[in-house]
Amino acid sequence: DAGVIQSPRHEVTEMGQEVTLRCKPISGHDYLFWYRQTMMRGLELLIYFNNNVPIDDSGMPEDRFSAKMPNASFSTLKIQPSEPRDSAVYFCASTRVGGDTIYFGEGSWLTVV
Amino acid sequence: GEDVEQSLFLSVREGDSSVINCTYTDSSSTYLYWYKQEPGAGLQLLTYIFSNMDMKQDQRLTVLLNKKDKHLSLRIADTQTGDSAIYFCAESSIYNTDKLIFGTGTRLQVFP
Repeated sequence: DAGVIQSPRHEVTEMGQEVTLRCKPISGHDYLFWYRQTMMRGLELLIYFNNNVPIDDSGMPEDRFSAKMPNASFSTLKIQPSEPRDSAVYFCASTRVGGDTIYFGEGSWLTVV
Repeated sequence: GEDVEQSLFLSVREGDSSVINCTYTDSSSTYLYWYKQEPGAGLQLLTYIFSNMDMKQDQRLTVLLNKKDKHLSLRIADTQTGDSAIYFCAESSIYNTDKLIFGTGTRLQVFP
């Protein structure tokens, strides 16, 4: 299996621009997670989906952030408008019901200038 | 809410043992995990322990769980320079086994 695939791997954008991060989970996995990693806060869970339905979005920082999962093989995390404090590494991860671990993608490294 | 804490840094000499510690607050934790993150990469599962166990050994890795004190540790024997990475402790609750709560990560630096 190819693992969890994220794109883009790196993005530099200007403040105010829209950013869209993409994720393809491992085939057959029922759960998809979006995490954000920063030096100050460590690894934070933003939102997770089960069978394409958002279950818990309490970690989404504010209304500028939105996430969708239109089908079992694709999810997006959108930031509009982006701000410099959104600069972080955004990880997507997936797992299946009863799985013993979650599998992480390699992350999308976002810099907002 | 649930909270997982770790110290931020650890430096050890190559060949020595490393011990990375973690404390958590959720008494309903079911699984506890150790993940490794190498520079520029995502997190990879190293090992995990079920909450009814107190020790698990896997080659150079030994996990110790003190459920009473809510303390988890990862011991790496014969630490190598390739072990330099950030190590994350994580726990999942009996109420939500598919949601992991991560610690802040411990940056392990191994020097020759």
